[in-house]
Amino acid sequence: GQQVMQIPQYQHVQEGEDFTTYCNSSTTLSNIQWYKQRPGGHPVFLIQLVKSGEVKKQKRLTFQFGEAKKNSSLHITATQTTDVGTYFCAGLPPGGTSYGKLTFGQGTILTVHP
Amino acid sequence: DGGITQSPKYLFRKEGQNVTLSCEQNLNHDAMYWYRQDPGQGLRLIYYSQIVNDFQKGDIAEGYSVSREKKESFPLTVTSAQKNPTAFYLCASSIMAGGNEAFFGQGTRLTVV
Repeated sequence: GQQVMQIPQYQHVQEGEDFTTYCNSSTTLSNIQWYKQRPGGHPVFLIQLVKSGEVKKQKRLTFQFGEAKKNSSLHITATQTTDVGTYFCAGLPPGGTSYGKLTFGQGTILTVHP
Repeated sequence: DGGITQSPKYLFRKEGQNVTLSCEQNLNHDAMYWYRQDPGQGLRLIYYSQIVNDFQKGDIAEGYSVSREKKESFPLTVTSAQKNPTAFYLCASSIMAGGNEAFFGQGTRLTVV
């Protein structure tokens, strides 16, 4: 079945440093979504990527979807303490019997030291 | 206010008892999901439903059951067959199953003693 792997599991950075988390799927995806979960909270949607090779930016966050639609990355430039939390990718299969099965990666826990 | 509501926030049960977690949404969403979150393991899919009166097993459905009799409601029952039920349970919904953002409830932390 579809598996979504995310690395690294943990990342500790000094405020102002950059941060990247990577997401890899065992199968081709229809689209990929990214979520952020603050400590003690619930996941909140950040963005969705649909097209092969797509790149989207949200202020200091840059999201990429691989050409083969099997991998993705989230890059944060110049981290701030407000970026603390767990970042999840979530993939949707193209269709078939698993249509609608939104599968999450294990998440990357980001700690930012002031 | 529109949203997705899980209740209760904290739940304690004795081992061997079934327990039902509530999930209600007033967003008019077709798709609903149940995830389990354990430390270091991210979100694991238990069950999902693309439309009322239909649902599919996720990756860890054993020991759980669901129903989708109403569009707004997707309750999850944790049965006594679930070997390690203590966890944080998250319910989510999306407009449709084929690729829209998922909105999450606040979660229910279940502790079985």
